[in-house]
Amino acid sequence: EPEVTQTPSHQVTQMGQEVILRCVPISNHLYFYWYRQILGQKVEFLVSFYNNEISEKSEIFDDQFSVERPDGSNFTLKIRSTKLEDSAMYFCASSEALTNDYGYTFGSGTRLTVV
Amino acid sequence: LAKTTQPISMDSYEGQEVNITCSHNNIATNDYITWYQQFPSQGPRFIIQGYKTKVTNEVASLFIPADRKSSTLSLPRVSLSDTAVYYCLVAPGYSSASKIIFGSGTRLSIRP
Repeated sequence: EPEVTQTPSHQVTQMGQEVILRCVPISNHLYFYWYRQILGQKVEFLVSFYNNEISEKSEIFDDQFSVERPDGSNFTLKIRSTKLEDSAMYFCASSEALTNDYGYTFGSGTRLTVV
Repeated sequence: LAKTTQPISMDSYEGQEVNITCSHNNIATNDYITWYQQFPSQGPRFIIQGYKTKVTNEVASLFIPADRKSSTLSLPRVSLSDTAVYYCLVAPGYSSASKIIFGSGTRLSIRP
């Protein structure tokens, strides 16, 4: 079964540092997403991405966040200057182009800890 | 996006059938009902999706009445490994660019 792969699984960073979270979506998927989940809270939508541009973003996705698809396989989330409150699980997801018959496929997540 | 309401938590025992009901009174004509499962420290996993009547796959069944204002996820003969949070979502089915929004879900605990 195809998977969405995320690296690293854990990342510890100092406050104010930049982090890049990496994702390899399923190869024939064209829509990509980032979600986050603070410990004990809901899964929150951050951003959706299609055709090399952001389709939609939430209020959480401020100027400190950016996404990029630098090549044909990777999809990255960058946080420019991390804050303590950025500590969370970050999930990448992808979905098929025209139908949503099989929903989104999520990766296993990157646990980001900002100290 | 239509709002969904589901129980915060449920308990059951191994071997039982578990039914989790979700209400979505404001569901739109082109909305589909989708259920996801999430284990601790893992990403949500798609379980099942339907538009009306009944859908069944190897994992679960989804029952949707004619008015589509509610739906019921049925898990047959649960095991300890079915302990997870289950999310009911409503979103347009044929527009993958539409974001899906997770609520608080139902925390299902299965006991021996």
